[in-house]
Amino acid sequence: TQLLEQSPQFLSIQEGENLTVYCNSSSVFSSLQWYRQEPGEGPVLLVTVVTGGEVKKLKRLTFQFGDARKDSSLHITAAQPGDTGLYLCAGVEWANYQLIWGAGTKLIIKP
Amino acid sequence: NAGVTQTPKFQVLKTGQSMTLQCAQDMNHNSMYWYRQDPGMGLRLIYYSASEGTTDKGEVPNGYNVSRLNKREFSLRLESAAPSQTSVYFCASSGARSDTEAFFGQGTRLTVV
Repeated sequence: TQLLEQSPQFLSIQEGENLTVYCNSSSVFSSLQWYRQEPGEGPVLLVTVVTGGEVKKLKRLTFQFGDARKDSSLHITAAQPGDTGLYLCAGVEWANYQLIWGAGTKLIIKP
Repeated sequence: NAGVTQTPKFQVLKTGQSMTLQCAQDMNHNSMYWYRQDPGMGLRLIYYSASEGTTDKGEVPNGYNVSRLNKREFSLRLESAAPSQTSVYFCASSGARSDTEAFFGQGTRLTVV
């Protein structure tokens, strides 16, 4: 069974600070997705990174896919209370396109 | 845009009772999924259906059954609920097999007492 480990599990910081969330595996994925989930809702896709070494930016969020396609990071610059939520990464398996999910990082941004 | 609709949103069952969670999507997606989400464990796949007429077991299928009624609808049945099945259940759908973006419903919070 492939595993995706996310770290940290929980992060509480002040508004305006920067942060990085990590998603690591010993397995290679065809692509990797990042989702954000708010309380009482289902996860919503933020971005998909496909190519090893790829960097994608979504306003203050920067996503990077590792060169070996085994890991990814999410960096938030100048975090805002609206960034609060559960961030989930999901690796896409080569063979059957199934999603392998990390356990998530619960992020709280305090005003 | 309805997307993925799940019912009910909340449910309390007694041990041994049965129930069916309903899910429907209006995006003409081929693939549909049932997940459970428990604190600290992320999303675990219960069953999935790659296309109408097919279903396959996921990581944690024991105690559950599914029916892909048609392309739109995918239901999850608990035949004899157990406290270990207390969880939040999510239905999701995605397009063609290589189009893996998953669209989720709002979830069903199930408590088994």
